[in-house]
Amino acid sequence: DAMVIQNPRYQVTQFGKPVTLSCSQTLNHNVMYWYQQKSSQAPKLLFHYYDKDFNNEADTPDNFQSRRPNTSFCFLDIRSPGLGDAAMYLCATSRVRVYEQYFGPGTRLTVT
Amino acid sequence: GESVGLHLPTLSVQEGDNSIINCAYSNSASDYFIWYKQESGKGPQFIIDIRSNMDKRQGQRVTVLLNKTVKHLSLQIAATQPGDSAVYFCAEKYSGYALNFGKGTSLLVTP
Repeated sequence: DAMVIQNPRYQVTQFGKPVTLSCSQTLNHNVMYWYQQKSSQAPKLLFHYYDKDFNNEADTPDNFQSRRPNTSFCFLDIRSPGLGDAAMYLCATSRVRVYEQYFGPGTRLTVT
Repeated sequence: GESVGLHLPTLSVQEGDNSIINCAYSNSASDYFIWYKQESGKGPQFIIDIRSNMDKRQGQRVTVLLNKTVKHLSLQIAATQPGDSAVYFCAEKYSGYALNFGKGTSLLVTP
């Protein structure tokens, strides 16, 4: 089945230690997104790629970076995680000119 | 983007009843809206969407109503089942491909 895959599902990192979350998709969608979702809150868009065109939300902290080496993969890098970065990180994809987004299961990040 | 909010944070209904989840949006220029269902520990799952040139759209057991005059969106679930228990989010497209999610309503279906 075509899907959005996120690894790992659970990630524990130390305060200030860089961490990378990964997302892959078999849907061959052009657009990929990263969201942050804190407990009992709505998903908040961090950035998205339209092919290799990177679109950063204005209020996304510089501590968050992303890479998309090819159509299938997208990475979220947190350079120096703080306690406030503990959250569920969701990856999503969509087709061109179709706004329905397909979400992966998320990676729950714990910062100790 | 401007906020998209929900009127009720929690909703409890009996199995078999109809559920109505409401959402207010503030950006009158929004032209696309979408409802997602999120079960605990999972990613959001698409339910139904609607474009601003429509007032109503129906799916399987779900109906979305859009009232552009008062900038209000609602999701109706017919014959609610225990499997419908989840958090429901509305979202609006505010630029390009970006979606702005509302706060969410937790739906609890009791037997």
